[in-house]
Amino acid sequence: DVVMTQAPLSSPVTLGQPASISCRSSQSLVHSNGNTYLSWLQQRPGQPPRLLIYKVSNRFSGVPDRFSGSGAGADFTLKISRVEAEDVGVYSCMQTTHFPHTFGQGTKLEIK
Amino acid sequence: EVQLVESGGGLVQPGGSLRLSCATSGFTFSDYWMAWVRQAPGRGLEWVANTKPDGSGKYYVDSVKGRFTISRDNARNSLYLQMNSLRAEDTAVYFCAKGSLDPGVDYWGQGALVTVSS
Repeated sequence: DVVMTQAPLSSPVTLGQPASISCRSSQSLVHSNGNTYLSWLQQRPGQPPRLLIYKVSNRFSGVPDRFSGSGAGADFTLKISRVEAEDVGVYSCMQTTHFPHTFGQGTKLEIK
Repeated sequence: EVQLVESGGGLVQPGGSLRLSCATSGFTFSDYWMAWVRQAPGRGLEWVANTKPDGSGKYYVDSVKGRFTISRDNARNSLYLQMNSLRAEDTAVYFCAKGSLDPGVDYWGQGALVTVSS
């Protein structure tokens, strides 16, 4: 199985400041069709996951443009340009290139 | 608006069975892969199973193979997860998730809690 490793696991951030989360996979996530199926999810306290980013860098419907994704191969990053109070929660990367689909451990974003 | 509503969770003894249901609306159910994903208390997300739009292909994580069965009823816009021979380590919130046009999921239900305990 593809192992997804996130860092940091906890990220205290000041409101209005940027935040960055890294996600590395144990093997390349480039599919045989040339696409890379790496997504980012947000899970606010007590809520189900919500899709933020798909195929590395595409923002899902309704996601604010302060969220951005980047990376290639096996190394990916989620960035929040200016953290807002509503961004508190756990962020997870997810790969759907290989079966079984796997997730990172999650990074807890909290406000300092 | 896409909606996914799970039901059927609860407390079950080890070795017992439970069937989860997911009622959907707001999209053409028969056009999309569907999946079950679980989250044990205080833990990360784990892919459990998914199924092709017509139900012909079903895929499972190794830990549930032979015990869980994913199925769907496209006429009822519903997804199911039959869970047999349940173990304590199956205790989790089970989310129903809609497949996206690419491999992956885009919408999630609120989840159903399954607790396996004597």
